[in-house]
Amino acid sequence: QKEVEQDPGPLSVPEGAIVSLNCTYSNSAFQYFMWYRQYSRKGPELLMYTYSSGNKEDGRFTAQVDKSSKYISLFIRDSQPSDSATYLCAFRGGFQGAQKLVFGQGTRLTINP
Amino acid sequence: DTGVSQDPRHKITKRGQNVTFRCDPISEHNRLYWYRQTLGQGPEFLTYFQNEAQLEKSRLLSDRFSAERPKGSFSTLEIQRTEQGDSAMYLCASSRINTGELFFGEGSRLTVL
Repeated sequence: QKEVEQDPGPLSVPEGAIVSLNCTYSNSAFQYFMWYRQYSRKGPELLMYTYSSGNKEDGRFTAQVDKSSKYISLFIRDSQPSDSATYLCAFRGGFQGAQKLVFGQGTRLTINP
Repeated sequence: DTGVSQDPRHKITKRGQNVTFRCDPISEHNRLYWYRQTLGQGPEFLTYFQNEAQLEKSRLLSDRFSAERPKGSFSTLEIQRTEQGDSAMYLCASSRINTGELFFGEGSRLTVL
C-alpha cells in the first residue's frame, strides 16, 4: 500500500465551480498536512499548512483534515482560470528526525472560462 | 525575501556525462532539501541538510549522486555518469528549523540524451 494516495485526474470544471481535491494516507505518524500548488514547469508553492483535524480557511481555499479516517481535502470556492495547476498534498511526521515531506502524485486541475 | 534560486534551469547532457546543480536557499533558512520530480509524479525526497550537515539521504540517492552544502549556505547536487533514467526536475527547497513549511525553487530540469 502506498503511503499517500491521490487521484491524478485530470479534473476539469467550469469557472466559478467549487473544487474538491482529496488525499488519503496510511502512515499514522503524519502530523503535518500541506497542500502545494504547482504551475507547469514551476516549483511547488505552499498553499495551506495545518497540523490538526478540522478545517482551516484562507480566502477561497479551505483545507480539511480528518485524522481518524486518514483523509485530507482541499476545497476551492469560486474557482478561477488562474487556479488551473497541479495540486499536491504533502505530509510530514511529527517526531524528531521526520523532516522530509512525503508528497502525493498530484491532481491536475483545469478551470474552464 | 528573494526566494530559493536554482541554476541552471535546464540542462541537456549526453549519457555518461557529469552534471552539477546549484541551489541558493532563502538566507535565514537553516534547512535545505533536494527533491526529484518526474513527469506526472509528486516530488520524491533525495536528501536534506541542516546548516552544513547532511542529516538524511534517501535510498534513491545512488552512489552516483552527491550533495554538498559546504558553508551552510548554497548547496550543490552532482550527478556522475548520468543515465537516461536521471532525466527529471531537480527541486531544491529550504525551511527554518522545526517547521514543515518548505519553500521551493523553480527547479533544474535535466534531460539526458
